[in-house]
Amino acid sequence: NAGVTQTPKFQVLKTGQSMTLLCAQDMNHEYMSWYRQDPGMGLRLIHYSVGAGITDQGEVPNGYNVSRSTTEDFPLRLLSAAPSQTSVYFCASWQGSNQPQHFGDGTRLSIL
Amino acid sequence: DQQVKQNSPSLSVQEGRISILNCDYTNSMFDYFLWYKKYPAEGPTFLISISSIKDKNEDGRFTVFLNKSAKHLSLHIVPSQPGDSAVYFCAASGGNNNDMRFGAGTRLTVKP
Repeated sequence: NAGVTQTPKFQVLKTGQSMTLLCAQDMNHEYMSWYRQDPGMGLRLIHYSVGAGITDQGEVPNGYNVSRSTTEDFPLRLLSAAPSQTSVYFCASWQGSNQPQHFGDGTRLSIL
Repeated sequence: DQQVKQNSPSLSVQEGRISILNCDYTNSMFDYFLWYKKYPAEGPTFLISISSIKDKNEDGRFTVFLNKSAKHLSLHIVPSQPGDSAVYFCAASGGNNNDMRFGAGTRLTVKP
């Protein structure tokens, strides 16, 4: 039972490069989300999806794009990486309202 | 704006004693509250939750208390064990999880 799988675990980029962080879940959850975690701060919501084909912005969406073509996959795209996007990124999925989110193990991204 | 605050960055307790982790929130629309536990290099894992219709929820050694008038929740761990050493995040939402907000976390160290 894999749960939520994120790839890669680590990545170093140069400013201006593009990158796609992958997230896949095998629990048939309709809801998925992306968070970033920065030192001294809680997880902040970047984008979320309530089902295939439906996405919306969270608290800090600028500089990131998402799509949801299948229930299982929810990739996060950085079109032109900036040093301010250096962070740990977590993907999560959940069943619905008032249900806990299940998180992947994160992607540690450094942008030079 | 930090709608969920964990004012203690760290807490150290002796094995067998009680650990009390605190969390305050500002948004009166929040009605679903959760605690997550996070080990290094792993994603947060769900620990326990409580809805606003309750003031207490227990699960084994873990109890969450909610004081709606004070906008305060706490997590009690009794008895504390060395394996409980981790970072604990509290989170709150309006019920659909799309607006979930996380605190910055409290690092709990349980000493043998």
